[in-house]
This record gives sequence, C-alpha cells and structure tokens, in this order.
Amino acid sequence: GAVVSQHPSRVICKSGTSVKIECRSLDFQATTMFWYRQFPKKSLMLMATSNEGSKATYEQGVEKDKFLINHASLTLSTLTVTSAHPEDSSFYICSARAEGRDEQYFGPGTRLTVT
Amino acid sequence: GQNIDQPTEMTATEGAIVQINCTYQTSGFNGLFWYQQHAGEAPTFLSYNVLDGLEEKGRFSSFLSRSKGYSYLLLKELQMKDSASYLCAAPFSGGYNKLIFGAGTRLAVHP
Repeated sequence: GAVVSQHPSRVICKSGTSVKIECRSLDFQATTMFWYRQFPKKSLMLMATSNEGSKATYEQGVEKDKFLINHASLTLSTLTVTSAHPEDSSFYICSARAEGRDEQYFGPGTRLTVT
Repeated sequence: GQNIDQPTEMTATEGAIVQINCTYQTSGFNGLFWYQQHAGEAPTFLSYNVLDGLEEKGRFSSFLSRSKGYSYLLLKELQMKDSASYLCAAPFSGGYNKLIFGAGTRLAVHP
C-alpha cells in the first residue's frame, strides 16, 4: 500500500515553455500533498502544501505564479512550472499523506531539464 | 524555530553496524521520521518515532529521546545496497504537519 506515482519521470523543455507534473496516490486518498524541490547532493526543499479543493500554501520565496499547483481530487495534484528557465532545472518530488496519518509517501520524482 | 542537524557523510564496512545521529529543535513535537534516499530516487519511508525508546524493524532500528531532542538510526549487518542518504525529518506544527528535513547523511558502505 501507500504508492505514489509521478509523471513524467524525466522531461526536457525549452526555455519559456510550461511543464506540468502529475502526482497521484494510487491506493489511498491523499488529503494533503506536498511538492519538494531537490538540488544535487542537497536535501529536500518544501515548495508548497496542497489540500484537496483549496488553494496551495507556498513556502517563503516560492513564486506561486510561477509554480502553479492544483489539487483537484483526493488522488491527484499537479505542479505546473510556467515560463521555465534553466535555473528551474531540478528534481521535483511530490509526497502524499492520508487523512489522520502522519507519514508522507513520496513519488519517484521528476527530473526537469530546461534548455 | 525549526532546526535539524545530522552528519553530512559517514562510511562503514559491509557487515558492520552504523549509527546515524540526528538532533532537532522544533516548536511543538509531533514525532520524528527517517527516510532513505538512493541517488536520483525519491525518499522511502523507514521509521516514525513518537514516543521515547528504540523501535526495531529488521536490520534497521530508530531511537528517540524527546527530552534531549535526539534521535538515531541504527543499521545492522550493513549491505552494499545500504549506501544511500538518510534523511531525518520532523513535522512542523504550523499547520498541515509539513515535514522539515535535515540535510541528510550520505552513507558509503565499502567491502
């Protein structure tokens, strides 16, 4: 149980385009999903917290107009990187947590490269 | 404030035992997590301690002392595949129980 998928696993896009990353909880309902960013050999940096049916809560320094988050259902959250630039290249990881539970389960991550 | 500290790197020998320490300062304690992360992959859940003491799960055990703000992950009978980063994380009490991660400890297991 507690499987989280992410799609795509890798994406290369051109500067100025937008990229959408999907995060799905496959065998449980995720009332809360989290989006992280990770640079090489660094720890995870929380970008935002999303709850189903409500607006995402962004961490300080994260541009909400650049990183659009939609949590449309209890099993799906999406992160859209708008007008991507090379500095947005990173490993993006989502996690999901079921209601009443404390542990988060992570998706396999999406490696974004902006050229 | 929130602060989590753990050593940056450790090395150990195959078959040995290694202890990875983590100290934390959080406003309102809700437990402590350990995750394992192999290079280029997402973290996988290892353990969650809420109460003081040692919890054992096969080759991995996790210890917590709330009064000392201290935890450790103990790995026994080390295998080469245990080479990974080990992340200590604590929920932040400021809503939604978001996790604050330590920088991670990169463990290298050698023959």
